[in-house]
Amino acid sequence: DAGVIQSPRHEVTEMGQEVTLRCKPISGHNSLFWYRQTMMRGLELLIYFNNNVPIDDSGMPEDRFSAKMPNASFSTLKIQPSEPRDSAVYFCASSLIAEAFFGQGTRLTVV
Amino acid sequence: TQLLEQSPQFLSIQEGENLTVYCNSSSVFSSLQWYRQEPGEGPVLLVTVVTGGEVKKLKRLTFQFGDARKDSSLHITAAQPGDTGLYLCAGVSPKGKLIFGQGTELSVKP
Repeated sequence: DAGVIQSPRHEVTEMGQEVTLRCKPISGHNSLFWYRQTMMRGLELLIYFNNNVPIDDSGMPEDRFSAKMPNASFSTLKIQPSEPRDSAVYFCASSLIAEAFFGQGTRLTVV
Repeated sequence: TQLLEQSPQFLSIQEGENLTVYCNSSSVFSSLQWYRQEPGEGPVLLVTVVTGGEVKKLKRLTFQFGDARKDSSLHITAAQPGDTGLYLCAGVSPKGKLIFGQGTELSVKP
């Protein structure tokens, strides 16, 4: 398996634009997590899904953020409209039992 | 809200020294994990501890889970430059939620 695949690896966008981050989890995994990592706040859990159903989205910063998991092999995290304070590395991770496997992350810069 | 506090946040030591990183919480977790992250990559799992009081060893790394399953420690013996990286503890809730501590940035100088 190729592991968790995230795209794009880097995204630079202007404030106010819509940004969509994509994630393909490892086949057979039933949990998917979206995290945001910054120097100030560390690795924050935004939302996690179990069997494609959102279980806990209490970490989603505000209504500008939304996440979907239409099927077991694909998830998106959308920010609309984006703001400079959204600049961070966004990680997707998937797991089956306990160990979480992370993608390489998307580095988002909002200017 | 479940929170995990790691200490220290930064640690710079010489090759050959020993060190301990702590991870504390007021919440009880089903299990606790330790990850290591290198620049430009996602975290990679080192170990999972499940039972209160459990001790696991991975070469020069020793991991311990507190008796009450609220805290954990990572001890590295005779640190090497290759141990340099960001060490993260993560608590797993009964519903599968995975919460990370702030991390400890370790630098081992030759």
